[in-house]
Amino acid sequence: DGGITQSPKYLFRKEGQNVTLSCEQNLNHDAMYWYRQDPGQGLRLIYYSQIVNDFQKGDIAEGYSVSREKKESFPLTVTSAQKNPTAFYLCASSIAAGAGEQYFGPGTRLTVT
Amino acid sequence: AQRVTQPEKLLSVFKGAPVELKCNYSYSGSPELFWYVQYSRQRLQLLLRHISRESIKGFTADLNKGETSFHLKKPFAQEEDSAMYYCALKTSYDKVIFGPGTSLSVIP
Repeated sequence: DGGITQSPKYLFRKEGQNVTLSCEQNLNHDAMYWYRQDPGQGLRLIYYSQIVNDFQKGDIAEGYSVSREKKESFPLTVTSAQKNPTAFYLCASSIAAGAGEQYFGPGTRLTVT
Repeated sequence: AQRVTQPEKLLSVFKGAPVELKCNYSYSGSPELFWYVQYSRQRLQLLLRHISRESIKGFTADLNKGETSFHLKKPFAQEEDSAMYYCALKTSYDKVIFGPGTSLSVIP
């Protein structure tokens, strides 16, 4: 079941600590995305990357950071500045920027106490 | 403003009954719309897109530009259709906007 992998599946952190969520894809897709999924709010875009070494803020980027040093990898760091970090995080990719069809990873559930 | 709305958070139907999940959008350009589905303990995945005008798992969706709607329909619901459904709009800024989702429960 290749495609997009996210690790770990569950992550627990203490308040005030930064934490990095992993996202890897072997689909040779140019574009990658990070979403936050909260009940009743759907998916909200955190960051997206259209190509290696480039990324843009989404709708809720505050308190998050990303990097895109390799085509296959798009890690997301949840910083201590994120006021409400406990959530389910989804990574996705698409063959190119602007392609409506996105392929999703299994998600990481982050709990910050 | 670009927006996708799904008025029903929860929708329950009996097996064999018709089902319609509503989606409305707000977009000034030419819209490209999708339905994504997330079954229990599975990944979010594309169900269908309006461009291809296809029927997937018995579901169809027609784009109505006059009513700015893209409702998802199936004539006879099955238990395996129980899932979370998201309507999505591709914008000209290379982003996809997702609606809040509708949880469909098919009662045996």
